[in-house]
Amino acid sequence: DQQVKQNSPSLSVQEGRISILNCDYTNSMFDYFLWYKKYPAEGPTFLISISSIKDKNEDGRFTVFLNKSAKHLSLHIVPSQPGDSAVYFCAAKGGSGGGADGLTFGKGTHLIIQP
Amino acid sequence: GAGVSQSPSNKVTEKGKDVELRCDPISGHTALYWYRQSLGQGLEFLIYFQGNSAPDKSGLPSDRFSAERTGGSVSTLTIQRTQQEDSAVYLCASSQYGGLSTEAFFGQGTRLTVV
Repeated sequence: DQQVKQNSPSLSVQEGRISILNCDYTNSMFDYFLWYKKYPAEGPTFLISISSIKDKNEDGRFTVFLNKSAKHLSLHIVPSQPGDSAVYFCAAKGGSGGGADGLTFGKGTHLIIQP
Repeated sequence: GAGVSQSPSNKVTEKGKDVELRCDPISGHTALYWYRQSLGQGLEFLIYFQGNSAPDKSGLPSDRFSAERTGGSVSTLTIQRTQQEDSAVYLCASSQYGGLSTEAFFGQGTRLTVV
């Protein structure tokens, strides 16, 4: 049973436009959410996070929105740049399946920024 | 080094052989995690070490998998009698305290191929 779902395996966005990556979760015990970015042959790198007591967190071009009632979060990247092309993983903490303090990950969305 | 280091970066082994994967976490990080990513899948939690506490082994898929962490630093993941379904990228991560609000930093991973 997948507790963190990223239903879009890939997303193509034109350079300069907004990229919106979506993530849904099923476990209401999750109380902290993170986005990781992964380039080929590298480990994931932390991008941005949000606590369940907030509904928005912004860091430069990256904004994460959390809708607890819908169990949905999204990552907005604006404007999108070629270097943003990567696989983006949504992760959650506080539920089961990730180990104590561990992370439960989605399957990732491959973002492709078109020039 | 400044980041999480994993070795080897690539490993090809014959079915039935044992393999050892090594992880050097960031100095001073008390929490260490092992994850694996199979083709087309998200990151799957395997095991979690926090300080001197007993590890959380709830994610290990079978008794062929084991892990140790010596002196609260370096960790070794051992897979005995490897099977083809063990082929994946094995990722190690560490975090400073392992608490809910601290992000984990990942190594570049070890790509294991069982032939």
